[in-house]
Amino acid sequence: NAGVTQTPKFRVLKTGQSMTLLCAQDMNHEYMYWYRQDPGMGLRLIHYSVGEGTTAKGEVPDGYNVSRLKKQNFLLGLESAAPSQTSVYFCASRTSGQGPEQYFGPGTRLTVT
Amino acid sequence: GNSVTQMEGPVTLSEEAFLTINCTYTATGYPSLFWYVQYPGEGLQLLLKATKADDKGSNKGFEATYRKETTSFHLEKGSVQVSDSAVYFCALTHNAGGTSYGKLTFGQGTILTVHP
Repeated sequence: NAGVTQTPKFRVLKTGQSMTLLCAQDMNHEYMYWYRQDPGMGLRLIHYSVGEGTTAKGEVPDGYNVSRLKKQNFLLGLESAAPSQTSVYFCASRTSGQGPEQYFGPGTRLTVT
Repeated sequence: GNSVTQMEGPVTLSEEAFLTINCTYTATGYPSLFWYVQYPGEGLQLLLKATKADDKGSNKGFEATYRKETTSFHLEKGSVQVSDSAVYFCALTHNAGGTSYGKLTFGQGTILTVHP
């Protein structure tokens, strides 16, 4: 049981390049989330999904797209990376039932130059 | 909307000192409250939680009590260790369903450094 895994762990992009971050969970959780962590700002929600085939915008969605084609995977895409997207990205998941805590992946550190 | 405010950091303590990290919140209804910890280079781990007023969450010597009258969830530990050095996040969520879908609202985080 691996919990929540994220790929890749580190990435450096040039401005304008694109990439996809992969999140996978093996806990059969319905809900999945993407956050970004910036110094002094805590974690902010980018997008989330309440089930396979559904996605919704969070607090800071601009510049990102997501897809949830399979229940266990939640992909975060950057179509044209900008230096303002330099951050650490965390994926999380939780059950839709009782037990409200979210379980987090180890994070992806992205630098856009 | 929901918001969480944590005491400003960083906090620097000597080993065996008493720790308090203040956390207050603004939310409608009855949110669940959490403390997450992030050790250097790692993701967030749930430290403790409380789901209703007057509940006390505890784990690894840390405690926090859900105080609805003061909208607070302060983190305390009686004797900190060097291994407690980390970033601590206070957070809240409503249970899944309705329009919140269990989204977490985080405070800005408090860096704790414990010296031998």
